[in-house]
Amino acid sequence: EPEVTQTPSHQVTQMGQEVILRCVPISNHLYFYWYRQILGQKVEFLVSFYNNEISEKSEIFDDQLSVERPDGSNFTLKIRSTKLEDSAMYFCASSYSYNEQFFGPGTRLTVL
Amino acid sequence: GENVEQHPSTLSVQEGDSAVIKCTYSDSASNYFPWYKQELGKRPQLIIDIRSNVGEKKDQRIAVTLNKTAKHFSLHITETQPEDSAVYFCAPLRNRDDKIIFGKGTRLHILP
Repeated sequence: EPEVTQTPSHQVTQMGQEVILRCVPISNHLYFYWYRQILGQKVEFLVSFYNNEISEKSEIFDDQLSVERPDGSNFTLKIRSTKLEDSAMYFCASSYSYNEQFFGPGTRLTVL
Repeated sequence: GENVEQHPSTLSVQEGDSAVIKCTYSDSASNYFPWYKQELGKRPQLIIDIRSNVGEKKDQRIAVTLNKTAKHFSLHITETQPEDSAVYFCAPLRNRDDKIIFGKGTRLHILP
C-alpha cells in the first residue's frame, strides 16, 4: 500500500539555523499539507498546498516558513531561522481530491 | 469545523468492554466526519469515517454513528483490546480535502 514518507525522522539543529523537512506524498495525490505537534499538545494545521501554490495557511505559518514542491515527488517545509519553540513533530499529509488525508510518520525537530 | 468538542477527555475501559466517544460540532455545513487514532509518538491515522448521507457505518469492532440534526457523531469500539489505547480525534469537515482542525482528543486507556 502506498505511503507518505518523510525524512529525516529526527533533526537536531542549533537555534538560528535553517532546516528543510522533506516529504514524499503518495504519487497520484494532489493536495499536500503540513501539520505540527508540540510535545504533549494537539496536532495543528500549518499550511495546505494545491496546484503549485499555497491554498491556505494558519497564523502559525509566518514569514519564517515556506513550502515548495521542487519536483514531481517532493514536498518540503523550510524554516529559515529556527527558534526554540519550533521544536515539535512535523507531519506531512497528502490526499487525492475529496478523499482522506494520509499522514507521514513525522519528523521530530529539536532546536537547541 | 468551527466549535468541535469531544467527550470525555479521558476514558478508562476494562479490556473486553466497549468504549464510546462523542463529538459535537457547530458547523451545519459539515459533510464529512472522520475519526483519527494517534498512538504515542506516531502519526494520526484515519480509523473510520462517515459522510452526511449515512447514519451509521461499521468496520469490525469499530463503528461511527451520526446525528446530523443534533450535530454530533460518536465512535464506538467494542471488545476493546490493549492496542486500542491511544488518543482519538474527531475532525468534522465540509470537504474531505479541507485542512483538519484537531481538537484536544480523547485519551483512551484499556485496563488489563
